[in-house]
Amino acid sequence: GEDVEQSLFLSVREGDSSVINCTYTDSSSTYLYWYKQEPGAGLQLLTYIFSNMDMKQDQRLTVLLNKKDKHLSLRIADTQTGDSAIYFCAESRARNNNDMRFGAGTRLTVKP
Amino acid sequence: DSGVTQTPKHLITATGQRVTLRCSPRSGDLSVYWYQQSLDQGLQFLIQYYNGEERAKGNILERFSAQQFPDLHSELNLSSLELGDSALYFCASSVVAGANVLTFGAGSRLTVL
Repeated sequence: GEDVEQSLFLSVREGDSSVINCTYTDSSSTYLYWYKQEPGAGLQLLTYIFSNMDMKQDQRLTVLLNKKDKHLSLRIADTQTGDSAIYFCAESRARNNNDMRFGAGTRLTVKP
Repeated sequence: DSGVTQTPKHLITATGQRVTLRCSPRSGDLSVYWYQQSLDQGLQFLIQYYNGEERAKGNILERFSAQQFPDLHSELNLSSLELGDSALYFCASSVVAGANVLTFGAGSRLTVL
């Protein structure tokens, strides 16, 4: 089947930049998403990018998409302890989100 | 508070039993999605409803069923429970079926003993 893969863990120091990587296999992916899950909470959409875009920036967040390599990354600048969470990459093809596929999530730990 | 309400937050039951999980979508959202998050399977799409009608099915077992009521709340019924059904069950909602924001609830944690 079609897969979305992420590394499971990332640890950074407060103030550093974090880069969370994701690869996907479906070349028909149209929308790519980053969600954040804090302990005891549901997933919260951070940002999403259309497949015809290379980059999207929103305050401390920068999303880079390499469609040729099917590689998506999320960069968090000036990482804070409050950024500690699990980050999920997801992709979908259709305008209907029912085919959204999630990665297993990357647990980001920010050390003071 | 995301606006999506799920009850109960925690549920402990025994194998063979049946449980019902409830979801109230965010006000104005017509589409409801159910996901299962387990340690070994990650986040799996189960089923989607749009304005009361089933829109799509994912990896939902035959022992599981769901429905969306006229007031748009949804229920996920899990029967003949097995140990492997222990997981976090998330409900999400969106305004329309499109590439827009999925708003997730806090989840219902089911433990089957």
